[in-house]
Amino acid sequence: GDSVTQMEGPVTLSEEAFLTINCTYTATGYPSLFWYVQYPGEGLQLLLKATKADDKGSNKGFEATYRKETTSFHLEKGSVQVSDSAVYFCALEGTYKYIFGTGTRLKVLA
Amino acid sequence: DTGVSQDPRHKITKRGQNVTFRCDPISEHNRLYWYRQTLGQGPEFLTYFQNEAQLEKSRLLSDRFSAERPKGSFSTLEIQRTEQGDSAMYLCASSPTGGPPGSGNTIYFGEGSWLTVV
Repeated sequence: GDSVTQMEGPVTLSEEAFLTINCTYTATGYPSLFWYVQYPGEGLQLLLKATKADDKGSNKGFEATYRKETTSFHLEKGSVQVSDSAVYFCALEGTYKYIFGTGTRLKVLA
Repeated sequence: DTGVSQDPRHKITKRGQNVTFRCDPISEHNRLYWYRQTLGQGPEFLTYFQNEAQLEKSRLLSDRFSAERPKGSFSTLEIQRTEQGDSAMYLCASSPTGGPPGSGNTIYFGEGSWLTVV
């Protein structure tokens, strides 16, 4: 069945460092792909999405490109801030469900 | 525009008791999802409604779990004879009528209902 695999965390970075969080997927066909973010005590919020191969989703300085060849959707940010500390989830849209990875915790130190 | 609302936010119950969670989706969202999330894990799909019809149900959803969406608006998730393994956060999400499933529809999550079974 469909699945999403994320790099394990936690990831600890200094402020202004470059961020990459890896995500790969297994699916039949070419599903839409998402990154969601979860702050402590809150539900998940959409960060960005891409609906077809080579699409780039972007929001708040974060970017991710839908790579069909490598079945990947890695999340990047050029300069992280303390306020980016959260848990990040990669997800794919199936027929009647969304399938999430296990999440990657990011901690940014001032 | 209010977001997805869940109630209660926290529930502590004794093993063997029944609990019910309510979800009010964003107005006019006809698609509604329930997920379960445990510490350090991603959300696990439980069930999906399109209007009042329950179209998908996970094998994770044992016979002790039941969900309803009687008028296609709010939804309830009931857990009967709770067990300690049911302790988790139960998330509700909704999405508007958009493209067909798989076409990039965004789902919007509530803040979740924490369940602790003691």
